[in-house]
Amino acid sequence: NAGVTQTPKFQVLKTGQSMTLQCAQDMNHNSMYWYRQDPGMGLRLIYYSASEGTTDKGEVPNGYNVSRLNKREFSLRLESAAPSQTSVYFCASSDRGDNEQFFGPGTRLTVL
Amino acid sequence: QKEVEQNSGPLSVPEGAIASLNCTYSDRGSQSFFWYRQYSGKSPELIMSIYSNGDKEDGRFTAQLNKASQYVSLLIRDSQPSDSATYLCAVRGWGGTSYGKLTFGQGTILTVHP
Repeated sequence: NAGVTQTPKFQVLKTGQSMTLQCAQDMNHNSMYWYRQDPGMGLRLIYYSASEGTTDKGEVPNGYNVSRLNKREFSLRLESAAPSQTSVYFCASSDRGDNEQFFGPGTRLTVL
Repeated sequence: QKEVEQNSGPLSVPEGAIASLNCTYSDRGSQSFFWYRQYSGKSPELIMSIYSNGDKEDGRFTAQLNKASQYVSLLIRDSQPSDSATYLCAVRGWGGTSYGKLTFGQGTILTVHP
């Protein structure tokens, strides 16, 4: 099992460009999450999907959109990237909302 | 006010000592508490979860929970250089818009020196 995979691992964007971060899990988990991690800030929840077909905003949703494509895949889209979105993005999954979350390796995004 | 706060670091301990990491939270209804370890440049991995007041031991790690004081801690006994990492406290919310979501503290950097 690969667990949680994320692509790409690194990305550099210019202000105003768009991109989609991909996340997939092979653990048959119901719930999936997107976090961003900035120095000294811990992990902050951007969006989550409690189950296939549902998505909800987290703590810092502005500037992002998500799609729960199927049970395995949960993507995060930046429509018009801004320097404030420079961060490390982690995807996570759990089999239920109240169970342990497993994290992917992360995507390091720089917006110039 | 930050919902989950961890003791400021970095924390430096000698090899073989006990490392003590502390965390306080504001949502009094929280029921689930987690400690994650994150090595530099890597993703967080769960090392302990605790749901009831008291102590929970797993090898060299002991998690302690006091819901009345809204306090959770992690003790690492016989600290090793391989324990050097950032430790993240996470709390699962219960009330209002926090329901079911994990809120993380800012992390405490631990360095174990030989």
